[in-house]
Amino acid sequence: AQRVTQPEKLLSVFKGAPVELKCNYSYSGSPELFWYVQYSRQRLQLLLRHISRESIKGFTADLNKGETSFHLKKPFAQEEDSAMYYCVPPGAGSYQLTFGKGTKLSVIP
Amino acid sequence: NAGVTQTPKFQVLKTGQSMTLQCAQDMNHNSMYWYRQDPGMGLRLIYYSASEGTTDKGEVPNGYNVSRLNKREFSLRLESAAPSQTSVYFCATKRTGGITGELFFGEGSRLTVL
Repeated sequence: AQRVTQPEKLLSVFKGAPVELKCNYSYSGSPELFWYVQYSRQRLQLLLRHISRESIKGFTADLNKGETSFHLKKPFAQEEDSAMYYCVPPGAGSYQLTFGKGTKLSVIP
Repeated sequence: NAGVTQTPKFQVLKTGQSMTLQCAQDMNHNSMYWYRQDPGMGLRLIYYSASEGTTDKGEVPNGYNVSRLNKREFSLRLESAAPSQTSVYFCATKRTGGITGELFFGEGSRLTVL
């Protein structure tokens, strides 16, 4: 089964400080992982997918197979980064696994 | 393109009342999903539909029914609402094939059961 764990429910950082949102996974087979974000009163949207290795809004996430992690990082937090973040596996076929509890990021001005 | 549209956006029910949440998509996606979001619980899958004509239970299906009316529409029904069903409900779609795992969400429907 594909499972992810986000150990922090809430993460508070000051504006300009580095941010790391943790995600650990337990998988059989090659993992594919995504980060979704939900800004206040907005719909969830895809932020990053690991296969593309892209940087969106200054965020990056590297898959570390040794540590089975897919942490989301940003060197300098901005107030507009305050949101709920979910680390998500793709699901098996059409079945979409539960997102999990997510991490609420609060950037303090 | 509207993407994924949910109605209603807000609803207040009394315990025992019934209601249907509607979801419609114009992206021609095969798979559709209903989630509920509760504080501290994240998103939990209620039901999903891999394609038109099929539906399957997710993690928390009790108290709900669904109908995949056609490729565009996937409705969620509460037959006898309970306070435990107070939540924000999200509909999502996923294209079969392409990039696996990319879900497209509606704006959510906030339901309060008194």
